[in-house]
Amino acid sequence: GQQLNQSPQSMFIQEGEDVSMNCTSSSIFNTWLWYKQDPGEGPVLLIALYKAGELTSNGRLTAQFGITRKDSFLNISASIPSDVGIYFCAGYTGFQKLVFGTGTRLLVSP
Amino acid sequence: DTEVTQTPKHLVMGMTNKKSLKCEQHMGHRAMYWYKQKAKKPPELMFVYSYEKLSINESVPSRFSPECPNSSLLNLHLHALQPEDSALYLCASSQGRGGGQTDTQYFGPGTRLTVL
Repeated sequence: GQQLNQSPQSMFIQEGEDVSMNCTSSSIFNTWLWYKQDPGEGPVLLIALYKAGELTSNGRLTAQFGITRKDSFLNISASIPSDVGIYFCAGYTGFQKLVFGTGTRLLVSP
Repeated sequence: DTEVTQTPKHLVMGMTNKKSLKCEQHMGHRAMYWYKQKAKKPPELMFVYSYEKLSINESVPSRFSPECPNSSLLNLHLHALQPEDSALYLCASSQGRGGGQTDTQYFGPGTRLTVL
């Protein structure tokens, strides 16, 4: 099936640093979603992207829908300790069929 | 309000037990989903209900039986599970409109299931 590969797999950064992570696929996607998951909790939607080239912000978070429609990027500026968690990209492989990326684990040192 | 609730938060069951997981949303969404998430892995789709009818079953073993009593409720009935079924079970809902590829899914907090 279609796979979404995320990199890096994990990141350990200092508070205040900016963070970049990406998500790539061998197939074209029409929608890219970015979720954050805290331990033992469900994923929380951060940003949704619907058009190639779209750049969308949500506070300190900015995400972009790649022009090729095969990738997406998420940036977090001025990280804070509560940014700790696992970040997943996700996209639809068919009607109502959402597939998640492999995840990027973020650790932030105060 | 974008809240999806799930009960119980934690569940421990033996392989011969029968138990049920419950999910509820009051956002007027017409599509509801069950996902399974193993440790350190992404969520994987199990079932989709659209307008209270089962629309997708991702080849899930019959020991998992979904039920959608009404548009706000989704149950997952469990019977004769195996230890490898231990996981976080997530429920999600979405409006269920459009082509299904712009339909944002909102997730509940999950039920942590342990099968002994």
